[in-house]
Amino acid sequence: DGGITQSPKYLFRKEGQNVTLSCEQNLNHDAMYWYRQDPGQGLRLIYYSQIVNDFQKGDIAEGYSVSREKKESFPLTVTSAQKNPTAFYLCASSIGFLLYNEQFFGPGTRLTVL
Amino acid sequence: AQTVTQSQPEMSVQEAETVTLSCTYDTSESDYYLFWYKQPPSRQMILVIRQEAYKQQNATENRFSVNFQKAAKSFSLKISDSQLGDAAMYFCALAPGDQGAQKLVFGQGTRLTINP
Repeated sequence: DGGITQSPKYLFRKEGQNVTLSCEQNLNHDAMYWYRQDPGQGLRLIYYSQIVNDFQKGDIAEGYSVSREKKESFPLTVTSAQKNPTAFYLCASSIGFLLYNEQFFGPGTRLTVL
Repeated sequence: AQTVTQSQPEMSVQEAETVTLSCTYDTSESDYYLFWYKQPPSRQMILVIRQEAYKQQNATENRFSVNFQKAAKSFSLKISDSQLGDAAMYFCALAPGDQGAQKLVFGQGTRLTINP
């Protein structure tokens, strides 16, 4: 079955540690995205990538980093510079990067900083 | 700046009845798309319906339809014959044309409860 997988489902981190969230898709989509969701709020865009080896900052990129070395993979690193990293993180992909393209979402990773 | 506002944090409806979720947005772009996404308890987002700003005809997908009022910058979602499986968070989202592509701006969400 085609889809997007995110791992792990739950992640705990100590303050001061970097942590990497995995996102893999087998939909052969060119574009991939990372969103952050906080309670009572909508999704906010962290980073996006239109094509392999290219990515752009979204609205809340500070304290995060990404890479796009393979078409199917778009890992997100939450660094110690992120002041309030506890949140639900969603990865998405779309076949292209046009206005009407539907974004398909993964099941998410809940990150908790202890 | 692009903004999306959902003024109803929570809504409830009796099973088999009709409910309308409100969404207003602000953009200076003439070309854009609007979306409604559903987030069930599993938390995986699913596209419900989409509308292009240039199309006057309101989009419809089975029991889901929109009322797109471009001048008022309003984009409400109507769910007919509500079913228990419709219970979820619903997010309105805007893809503004000035971004060149799919940089979605989301509203805060409306939690919909279906009463049996």
